[in-house]
Amino acid sequence: KAGVTQTPRYLIKTRGQQVTLSCSPISGHRSVSWYQQTPGQGLQFLFEYFSETQRNKGNFPGRFSGRQFSNSRSEMNVSTLELGDSALYLCASSSGTSGSFHEQFFGPGTRLTVL
Amino acid sequence: KQEVTQIPAALSVPEGENLVLNCSFTDSAIYNLQWFRQDPGKGLTSLLLIQSSQREQTSGRLNASLDKSSGRSTLYIAASQPGDSATYLCAVPANQAGTALIFGKGTTLSVSS
Repeated sequence: KAGVTQTPRYLIKTRGQQVTLSCSPISGHRSVSWYQQTPGQGLQFLFEYFSETQRNKGNFPGRFSGRQFSNSRSEMNVSTLELGDSALYLCASSSGTSGSFHEQFFGPGTRLTVL
Repeated sequence: KQEVTQIPAALSVPEGENLVLNCSFTDSAIYNLQWFRQDPGKGLTSLLLIQSSQREQTSGRLNASLDKSSGRSTLYIAASQPGDSATYLCAVPANQAGTALIFGKGTTLSVSS
């Protein structure tokens, strides 16, 4: 089974621009979660999509948004980029079925640098 | 609000040593606990998942234990090797679906040959 894939792997943007990151989950998984990792804050949960609906949301400003398609692929968008948005963005997939407590499987991440 | 803490932040050991990494959490009402490994600049690799009803899980040289009442989990690595050098993270989910993970800051392990 193919793992979680993320594209692109690296991005360089300037302040004020917007960016879209993509994540393809493991086949059969319906839940996709996004995380931001920075040296100062560590790993922080952004949001989760399950069956095309946002099911959970972390404590991030509205500039961070996402969506999920019918094939479970997900995209996240960051508008009006700030220097502090420079981070490794990771997505994770799981079956997501409530009560089944399945493992989260992570992709390789997208390294975003904002200049 | 659930908080996850990992101590120590860094650990250096010679090859062959057995070692224990610690993870503590403030709210004992967890659904499961997952241990991950992260190599520099890479994504996370799942090592072990312990369900809330379990006390421990084993995979090869790794053994993870869970004590919900004390809010603690330990990851035991036997006969450490230089290839074990990485950052180890523990995480607990914020919901019954096992998603919205809350992570500790990790323990960076260095194993010297």
